[in-house]
Amino acid sequence: AQSVTQLGSHVSVSEGALVLLRCNYSSSVPPYLFWYVQYPNQGLQLLLKYTTGATLVKGINGFEAEFKKSETSFHLTKPSAHMSDAAEYFCAVSPSSGSARQLTFGSGTQLTVLP
Amino acid sequence: DTAVSQTPKYLVTQMGNDKSIKCEQNLGHDTMYWYKQDSKKFLKIMFSYNNKELIINETVPNRFSPKSPDKAHLNLHINSLELGDSAVYFCASSQASVYEQYFGPGTRLTVT
Repeated sequence: AQSVTQLGSHVSVSEGALVLLRCNYSSSVPPYLFWYVQYPNQGLQLLLKYTTGATLVKGINGFEAEFKKSETSFHLTKPSAHMSDAAEYFCAVSPSSGSARQLTFGSGTQLTVLP
Repeated sequence: DTAVSQTPKYLVTQMGNDKSIKCEQNLGHDTMYWYKQDSKKFLKIMFSYNNKELIINETVPNRFSPKSPDKAHLNLHINSLELGDSAVYFCASSQASVYEQYFGPGTRLTVT
């Protein structure tokens, strides 16, 4: 079984400061990893994904994440926060093989950006 | 232009009623999903269909029944609604060879 832990249900940063959202996973085999963002009253939008290859992946809106197998982590970062980054962020994993590719989500991190 | 659409966006109904939520995707994907997001924003898979065949059926009450008339549609029918069914339901789709899922805007179901 796979599981995802997001440390910190709420994170506040000042505009222009570094954003760091933490995600650790548990899986018997390396899974595929995703970060999604949810703005208020909207659906989920894919920020970035890791499947294979380069462990540092870049996504939309200036976000990036690094897959660290030894630490079973996939933390999300952005060098400089914007007010528009305020949203709920979800880390998710899916099996890397088989026909069942359901996403298992973390509990989410609410990002607040302070002016 | 909408990739994954759901109707209705809001649904308010009384306990005991039967309701349906519709989902359509125009991405040509072969797999569709239903997720439930509870009041604490926790997201959990409910069902998955691949080429109209049910491949994931998590532990949900059998009052919930998905139906896939074709690859582009996956509807969710709920019988005898209960207060605990109040949540936001998201439809998603993906292509087997490409792993990310695309989500619809969600349907907020409120049971009174």
